[in-house]
Amino acid sequence: DQQVKQNSPSLSVQEGRISILNCDYTNSMFDYFLWYKKYPAEGPTFLISISSIKDKNEDGRFTVFLNKSAKHLSLHIVPSQPGDSAVYFCAASVPGFQKLVFGTGTRLLVSP
Amino acid sequence: EAGVAQSPRYKIIEKRQSVAFWCNPISGHATLYWYQQILGQGPKLLIQFQNNGVVDDSQLPKDRFSAERLKGVDSTLKIQPAKLEDSAVYLCASSLRGLSNEQFFGPGTRLTVL
Repeated sequence: DQQVKQNSPSLSVQEGRISILNCDYTNSMFDYFLWYKKYPAEGPTFLISISSIKDKNEDGRFTVFLNKSAKHLSLHIVPSQPGDSAVYFCAASVPGFQKLVFGTGTRLLVSP
Repeated sequence: EAGVAQSPRYKIIEKRQSVAFWCNPISGHATLYWYQQILGQGPKLLIQFQNNGVVDDSQLPKDRFSAERLKGVDSTLKIQPAKLEDSAVYLCASSLRGLSNEQFFGPGTRLTVL
């Protein structure tokens, strides 16, 4: 039962353009959504999050949008940089348990 | 501030053997998590500790996996005996207040079971 899905295993974007990574979920009880970034041989690092009561959160080049009716969220990176090349995981928080449910990840490649 | 430390970084064993992983969380972090990440999948929570007590171990295969966190600091995760499907990266994370958006991950231990 995959409650958090990232249907695109990979994405290629040119430097300076926008990267859009998508995530869908099935459990309407999730109260927090997070994006993690992972480089090879390193653990995931927290990037940005959004509460289920909001529809947008912005932090520098990174913006996360949440559409609760569609159970969909997206991460926008503008402008994309080669250093953004990594695997991005979407995660959702189970209320009351403080545990994360992760998606399968999307590998982003930003070419110069 | 030192991050989450894990050792070993890599381990290769044969099926039916035993293996143990060690995690040292960020100083002062009360909550500690062990995740299993199989190739091509996202991390899956195995067990969560609050200090030295277990908060959630619902997805831990208890017939072969065990974990402990003595004195509420370091933690070890053991697999005995290992199966081929246990090949994965085992990630340890810690959190100061147990909030889901404040988990800091270690580099992981890559386990290969032959």
